[in-house]
Formats: sequence, structure tokens, C-alpha cells
Amino acid sequence: EAGVAQSPRYKIIEKRQSVAFWCNPISGHATLYWYQQILGQGPKLLIQFQNNGVVDDSQLPKDRFSAERLKGVDSTLKIQPAKLEDSAVYLCASSLGRGSYGYTFGSGTRLTVV
Amino acid sequence: AQKVTQAQTEISVVEKEDVTLDCVYETRDTTYYLFWYKQPPSGELVFLIRRNSFDEQNEISGRYSWNFQKSTSSFNFTITASQVVDSAVYFCALRMMNTGFQKLVFGTGTRLLVSP
Repeated sequence: EAGVAQSPRYKIIEKRQSVAFWCNPISGHATLYWYQQILGQGPKLLIQFQNNGVVDDSQLPKDRFSAERLKGVDSTLKIQPAKLEDSAVYLCASSLGRGSYGYTFGSGTRLTVV
Repeated sequence: AQKVTQAQTEISVVEKEDVTLDCVYETRDTTYYLFWYKQPPSGELVFLIRRNSFDEQNEISGRYSWNFQKSTSSFNFTITASQVVDSAVYFCALRMMNTGFQKLVFGTGTRLLVSP
């Protein structure tokens, strides 16, 4: 089966600009996650979707970050305006559903804010 | 709150050496899952193993083995006869079992460098 697809692979922007990342989960996976991985740290959950509804966005900086999952399939994560500390790898993952423990991660988008 | 600690930041070994990666976790819940993931230079997180809190049976899979000890809240991972391809960052992670929130809590990772 095809894996979790993410684009772009790399992105360099200036601070205060906006940026968007796209994720296409594995077909049939109801749950989608966005994680932020800052260099030298483990991934941290930003937001979790169950179909097109938000389950957990407690660690999403809502003043600048937004995410949506229209139609319960693809998802977009946006940052506006970006700050230097947003430089990180943004990982998307998906799983079958609430009872499933198996995640599949994408290769991530590496964001550099200068 | 849940927390995962990987005290080893980086380990360097020579090929064919055995290496153990340490993981200590904290949680007040009695039911949970523990995971190990591998992150090669390409960036994706590759699932290695999952253990649940009521299964302390240790496991060996090829060159990999895992030692889960609930009494010390540890879930250590050993690679036997390491190979250059094992070079990667390894993450230990924790997830609560009885919740719809499936957030994985990761440690800070251990970078393993295997030289020829």
C-alpha cells in the first residue's frame, strides 16, 4: 500500500511569511496526526483529527498555526506568520482509527525560517 | 502527565558490537503502550516494536531484542552484532491505552553511529 505522502519536502521562508504543508494519509485511515519535531528533540503532537473533526489540538499554537482536514482525507497545516522558532520537521501520520495503535509516518517537511 | 527519558544522546560503536539503548518512562496510568521507532537520515519514523503494559514478556526479533521491566519503568532496546545500516536516531514512545486520544509521547532520541 502507498505510504503517507507529504509535500513539500523542504521549505525555506523568511520570518513573518506564511507557509502551508500538505498531507495525504493512507487510504482508509480515519485518524490523522501532525507532529512537530524540533532539531534534537522528539516529535510533539500538534493536532489529531478523527475523520474531519479535531480530537486534540491542545498543543497547537492557535494564534499562528491552523489545520484542516476537509472531507476527512487530505490535510493542510498552515503557519501564519512564521517565527524563527518554527524551524522544524513537520511530520504527518495516520492510523486506522481510535482503537488502532499502529501509526504510519510520512517523511516530513523540513521548514527553515530565516 | 506522561514523560519518556532517553538519557543517552549519542552512542558510537564499531560494527558487530552489541549496543543497548535505554528508555525510562513515567505515567500514573496502569494501562499503556510502549514503542520504539527508528528515524534514518531520510527522516521518516519507522515502527520497530510495540509492547502493552500487561505483557512483560521480553522479545527477540532477529538482531533486535527488547527488555521491558515494569518495576523500574524501563523499556530498553538491544541491537546484537550492529551493522552500519543501523545508524539512525532511535525514539522510545509512550501512549495511554484507555483513551480516544492516541497521542504518542516521545523521548528526545538516541543517535546511534555504527562505523565499519
